[in-house]
Amino acid sequence: DVKVTQSSRYLVKRTGEKVFLECVQDMDHENMFWYRQDPGLGLRLIYFSYDVKMKEKGDIPEGYSVSREKKERFSLILESASTNQTSMYLCASSFTGTNEKLFFGSGTQLSVL
Amino acid sequence: DQQVKQNSPSLSVQEGRISILNCDYTNSMFDYFLWYKKYPAEGPTFLISISSIKDKNEDGRFTVFLNKSAKHLSLHIVPSQPGDSAVYFCAARWGARQLTFGSGTQLTVLP
Repeated sequence: DVKVTQSSRYLVKRTGEKVFLECVQDMDHENMFWYRQDPGLGLRLIYFSYDVKMKEKGDIPEGYSVSREKKERFSLILESASTNQTSMYLCASSFTGTNEKLFFGSGTQLSVL
Repeated sequence: DQQVKQNSPSLSVQEGRISILNCDYTNSMFDYFLWYKKYPAEGPTFLISISSIKDKNEDGRFTVFLNKSAKHLSLHIVPSQPGDSAVYFCAARWGARQLTFGSGTQLTVLP
């Protein structure tokens, strides 16, 4: 079974803190993604990566950055956390190809106080 | 500007009956559609998909219908089971672009 593992299930941070969310996948997928899920808004794409050291902005990249130093690991960074970044963060991965399916991690619920 | 809309935040159905979840989209360029299911404390999991060249795809109790002229997608679950209670997201893709998700519908199947 494909496994996408997110390092924390719950995280509480203070406004202005630098926050790292880590994601690891074990299926040698080329593509990795970071989404946030908010009530009434569904899943919105923050950043994605097609390969090591590659990154592309999604629909809502402001206030976030990412790092992909190894194929299996994709990190989401909040440089200076703000209260409007309180959300459920979901990591996903997939193979490259037409109509590839995303495999998601269990999510990290981040609260910024 | 939501290109994929799920207008019903919630739906309750009796066990054994049919569940119909709806999804509307505005971008006529979308050519591939998917449904994901999400249980609490878990990530979404892929359920079923359909290409724009088809109007129906069936997998066991789950059938997805696509009406391109109406820009409407629906997921039918027959018969519904209590284990189907979850949030269902529809998603759409245009070519090699990334998935665009709807806001989700909470399905509750009552025993």
